[in-house]
This record gives sequence, C-alpha cells and structure tokens, in this order.
Amino acid sequence: GENVEQHPSTLSVQEGDSAVIKCTYSDSASNYFPWYKQELGKRPQLIIDIRSNVGEKKDQRIAVTLNKTAKHFSLHITETQPEDSAVYFCAASSNTGKLIFGQGTTLQVKP
Amino acid sequence: SAVISQKPSRDICQRGTSLTIQCQVDSQVTMMFWYRQQPGQSLTLIATANQGSEATYESGFVIDKFPISRPNLTFSTLTVSNMSPEDSSIYLCSVTGTENEKLFFGSGTQLSVL
Repeated sequence: GENVEQHPSTLSVQEGDSAVIKCTYSDSASNYFPWYKQELGKRPQLIIDIRSNVGEKKDQRIAVTLNKTAKHFSLHITETQPEDSAVYFCAASSNTGKLIFGQGTTLQVKP
Repeated sequence: SAVISQKPSRDICQRGTSLTIQCQVDSQVTMMFWYRQQPGQSLTLIATANQGSEATYESGFVIDKFPISRPNLTFSTLTVSNMSPEDSSIYLCSVTGTENEKLFFGSGTQLSVL
C-alpha cells in the first residue's frame, strides 16, 4: 500500500524566513497531494493541494511543488509569521479517495 | 466546504466499556472516513464508511473492535468497543465533498480510557 515519508519532523525558523517541508510517496498511482495545518487542539485544516498533472501551485505565501518522476512533493512557506507555527501534514491518495498521511512536521516560527 | 458536526467532543471512559461517536454532515457527501490520531502522532485511517453496506477496514483495524455504521449520505457512527488505555486517542470523522478528493475533518473526539 501507499507509504508517505515526511521530513523534517521539527523545523524552527526566524520570522520572515522561508520554511520547506518535504514528502516522498511510494505508490506511483497516487495523483492527489494535499497539505494540512493543525494547530494545537484543533482539527487539521486543508491549506493547499496539488494534482499530479500540475508541477507547482501557489496561494499567497504558500506553494507546493511536485516531482512525479522522483515521487516527492514539497511545501514552501515564505515570509513566515508566528501564526504559521503549527504541525503540518502532507498526504497522498490515488483514485480510491483514501488519504495516507506523512508523520507530520512541527514548525516553530520565532518572533 | 461541508459543516461536519462530531460528538461527543471528548469523553473519559472506563476500561472494558464502549463508546459510540457520531458524525453528522450538513450536506450529502460522497465518501466518509474515520481516522485516529494518537497523542503527538499522525493521522491513521481506520476505515471507509460505506453507505448502506459494511465499512472497509484498513490493515490493523477490525469490525469487532471498531464497528461503523453509515445509514445515509450525511451520517455515520464509529464505536470503539471493549476499550483499553491504548485506545486513548483523538478520533476524527472526515468527508469528501463536492470538490472530489478534498478531504475535510470534523472537530474530533478526544477519548481517554482509564
């Protein structure tokens, strides 16, 4: 079955710097790759997603890139702010609709 | 996105008892899933709740332990049976709405088993 590896497990950056989180997946049939942000005590929230027919997608300060050949995708956050501090999860799915999640990255943005 | 109501939001239960968690969506959705999030961990898929038929369980999860119902397109329940402290987790209902694969989560049920 699908396996998703996420790195790093923790990431600390200074406010204003960029943050990058990387994920790899194992199932070549995977075609949908969302990213979720989970603040302490809250539900995961979808922040951006990308389909396999697209290489990059941006939404304001966040962007996701996908390399299908290498089976990896990344989340990029620019001009980080303290409110970006949270746990971020990548995920992958094929046409089954089931999402398999990475292990999560705890991002800390220091003021 | 759909509004997903999940209850109870939290509960403290005794070992050996069972708890049923309810998930109600304000619109018809194509797929409903149940996830578990153990303390400090990622989200693990328990099963896909199928409307009008038996749920499809992932490896490591069985119907006797986690019976699931989905009588219609807007409602599902997950029961955690014969609980032990290892079942202490957050249980999350999730649905895909009209935008195909986009998955949205309910607010979760924080379960503590003593």
